[in-house]
Amino acid sequence: EAGVTQSPTHLIKTRGQQATLRCSPISGHTSVYWYQQALGLGLQFLLWYDEGEERNRGNFPPRFSGRQFPNYSSELNVNALELEDSALYLCASTLTGGSYEQYFGPGTRLTVT
Amino acid sequence: AQTVTQSQPEMSVQEAETVTLSCTYDTSESNYYLFWYKQPPSRQMILVIRQEAYKQQNATENRFSVNFQKAAKSFSLKISDSQLGDTAMYFCASGTSYDKVIFGPGTSLSVIP
Repeated sequence: EAGVTQSPTHLIKTRGQQATLRCSPISGHTSVYWYQQALGLGLQFLLWYDEGEERNRGNFPPRFSGRQFPNYSSELNVNALELEDSALYLCASTLTGGSYEQYFGPGTRLTVT
Repeated sequence: AQTVTQSQPEMSVQEAETVTLSCTYDTSESNYYLFWYKQPPSRQMILVIRQEAYKQQNATENRFSVNFQKAAKSFSLKISDSQLGDTAMYFCASGTSYDKVIFGPGTSLSVIP
């Protein structure tokens, strides 16, 4: 069974640009979570999508947005990039909600220069 | 709101010894789930162990076991017979079936040969 995949692996952008990160969940999983992990820090919750709907979002500005497609894959968009957006962005999929194991992807390393 | 605290930023243990990682949480929910995740230096996060709050029996997975003290809102992870491959960041997390998962700040564990 294929695991959670994320693309691209690395992404280098300049300040002010937009970044798009993609995530494909494990087959059968309807929930996708996005987390930001800055260097040496823990996971900060960004967004939770389930069945195509945004269920919850963390304390991030509106320039962080995303969507979930009918096949349950998801996209995270970061507009007007700032230097402090440089981080590892992790996607996780699960059956639904927060009671089940989350399966994590390898992450996308975003560097903003 | 749920919160998860890990008071030990770094720990080390000799190979083959036992180590305990601490975690405390706060929630107003009566039905919730607790997790320990491991993030090795290669970055892929994986589940170590899961505990349902309504179960009194402590979860175990091979060398990994938890001490779940519901009244004290404590959820510690014990690693027995530590191995070099246990070197990783360990995150404690809490979630409910209808909400996001909250992660603690993590504990960096080093297993010393």
